Formats: sequence, C-alpha cells, structure tokens
Amino acid sequence: DQQVKQNSPSLSVQEGRISILNCDYTNSMFDYFLWYKKYPAEGPTFLISISSIKDKNEDGRFTVFLNKSAKHLSLHIVPSQPGDSAVYFCAAKSGNEKLTFGTGTRLTIIP
Amino acid sequence: DAGVIQSPRHEVTEMGQEVTLRCKPISGHDYLFWYRQTMMRGLELLIYFNNNVPIDDSGMPEDRFSAKMPNASFSTLKIQPSEPRDSAVYFCASSQGRGPSGYEKLFFGSGTQLSVL
Repeated sequence: DQQVKQNSPSLSVQEGRISILNCDYTNSMFDYFLWYKKYPAEGPTFLISISSIKDKNEDGRFTVFLNKSAKHLSLHIVPSQPGDSAVYFCAAKSGNEKLTFGTGTRLTIIP
Repeated sequence: DAGVIQSPRHEVTEMGQEVTLRCKPISGHDYLFWYRQTMMRGLELLIYFNNNVPIDDSGMPEDRFSAKMPNASFSTLKIQPSEPRDSAVYFCASSQGRGPSGYEKLFFGSGTQLSVL
C-alpha cells in the first residue's frame, strides 16, 4: 500500500524552463512533507520541506506547494539548470512517525 | 565530519549466503535508519534506532533480516540466507534527534548496491 505516490517515473525539461514534480498522498494524518534529491551513486539529500499549516514554502529556485484538500504536493524548480538532473523523492510523516517515501521521479534537464 | 559511511559500496553474492552491511553514522546523531531502495517501492524504511535501541522494525521484510547497533558509531544489517529478491540498494541514514516539527532532516550514506545471484 503506497501512501505516497509519484506517478511520473521520469520528466524531461529544457534548461531555463520550469520543472514541476508532483506527489500525491493518501494518509490525511500526514502533517509534514519533504523533498529529497538523489544523484547517481550517492545517497538522497534533503532539499526542502513544508508543514501542513502552510501551503507554500520557497527556497531560492525551489518552491513546494501543498494542497491539503487534494492531498497533493508539488515541487517547482525555476529556472531549471543542468545540475538539477537527479531523482527526486517526495516524503511525508505524521507526528513523530517515520518518514514514508515515494518511488521517485527522475528529472532530466536538457541543455 | 565525513558524513554517514557505509560499506561495502557493492556486494555480489550467491543465493543462500550471508550478507552483512555496515554503517557508521555521523558523530553526535542519535537516530539511525536503514532504508532499502527498489524501483517498485521507492525508499522503504526497514528499521530505525534511537540511542542504539531499536524503535521500529516493522519494515524488516522477514526473519532473514536482522539489524544491530552495538554502540553509537556502528550498525549492521544482516541478511541470512540471502535471496535474489533482496537485490536492491540499501541506505543507512542518521539524524540529530527531533526538532519542533518532530523531525530533523536525515543524512544518508552513499548506499550499498546488493546483488544476489
């Protein structure tokens, strides 16, 4: 039972354009959401997070949007750069419970 | 700090053999996590420790899997006997307790690519 779903296994975006990565969840008790980025042969690294009391959090080129009614989370990268090419994992948690990760989306930025 | 250190980076073994994966967390971190990455299920939490004590092992798939943390600077994940379906990337991660949100970000190691033939 996949509580956090990333339905797009891959995404290709032209350099300089906006990349939008999507994530859906089924557990309405989730109250904290995170995005992790993973390069080949490396472990995931924390990118950005958002609490359920907010609907938007911005950090430089990265913005995370949360739509609680739709149980939907998205990560926007503007402008996209070649170094953004990686696998992006969405994750969620409820209270002090463990993090639940999605299956990941491979983003490729085309120069 | 060198970050979370995992060994080996790659492990190729035959079905039925014992496999031991090792992890050294970041010094001062009191939480340690073992994750498994597969294409179908993404990153799955297998087990996590707090101050060397196992807190939640509900993600451990079978009795063939076991994990220990004998001290604050070392943990092992053992698979005995190994099976081809155990082939995956295994990550260790550590974190420095829980912040106001109940969460502190995880720092992952580079992973162990396990192939069971």
